[in-house]
Amino acid sequence: DIQMTQSPSSLSASVGDRVTITCRASQSISTYLNWYQQKPGKAPKLLIYGASSLQSGVPSRFSGSGSGSDFTLTISSLQPEDFATYYCQQSYSSPWTFGQGTKVEIQ
Amino acid sequence: EVQLVESGGGLVQPGRSLRLSCAASGFTFNEYAMHWVRQAPGKGLEWVSGISWSSGDIDYADSVKGRFTISRDNAKNSLYLQMNSLRAEDTAFYYCAKDSQGGLGVAEFDYWGQGTLVSVSS
Repeated sequence: DIQMTQSPSSLSASVGDRVTITCRASQSISTYLNWYQQKPGKAPKLLIYGASSLQSGVPSRFSGSGSGSDFTLTISSLQPEDFATYYCQQSYSSPWTFGQGTKVEIQ
Repeated sequence: EVQLVESGGGLVQPGRSLRLSCAASGFTFNEYAMHWVRQAPGKGLEWVSGISWSSGDIDYADSVKGRFTISRDNAKNSLYLQMNSLRAEDTAFYYCAKDSQGGLGVAEFDYWGQGTLVSVSS
């Protein structure tokens, strides 16, 4: 199975900050990497697919980059509604595995 | 608007069975693969099972293989998960998720239901 490791596990940031979350795969997965946002008590929401493609309706302050085994999710200017937990997920091979999550909290 | 509504969760004793359902609307159900993803309370996400648009391709996580069975009824726009021999470690919110494609080759979960809680305890 492909292991996905996110860092950091949590971070504190202020509105307007630039935030970067990293995801590393245990083997190369090309660009088969997706990012999700989950707010408390809610279902996850797809933000980025194929490492860098923005899902329809997602604000442009979210962006993704990377290929191979190292990937990044960037929020260019953190907004109040962005405080949530973010998960990466590899779609290279089954079983489809997720990172452990990164919780973005208000500083 | 895409809607996925799960039902069938509840409290069940270890070793017993439960069947989850997911009612889909707002898209052409028979064109897309579907999945079940679970999340233990306060924990991360775990993919459980997936089924292609035609039911011709089915896959399971090792943790549920041989105990859980995924199925779909395209005429009823519905997805199911039959869960047998339930264990305490199966306790979780179970989400129904739509794939962006019809096959199981690239699992991009572009829409999710609100989840249904399964609690396994004596």
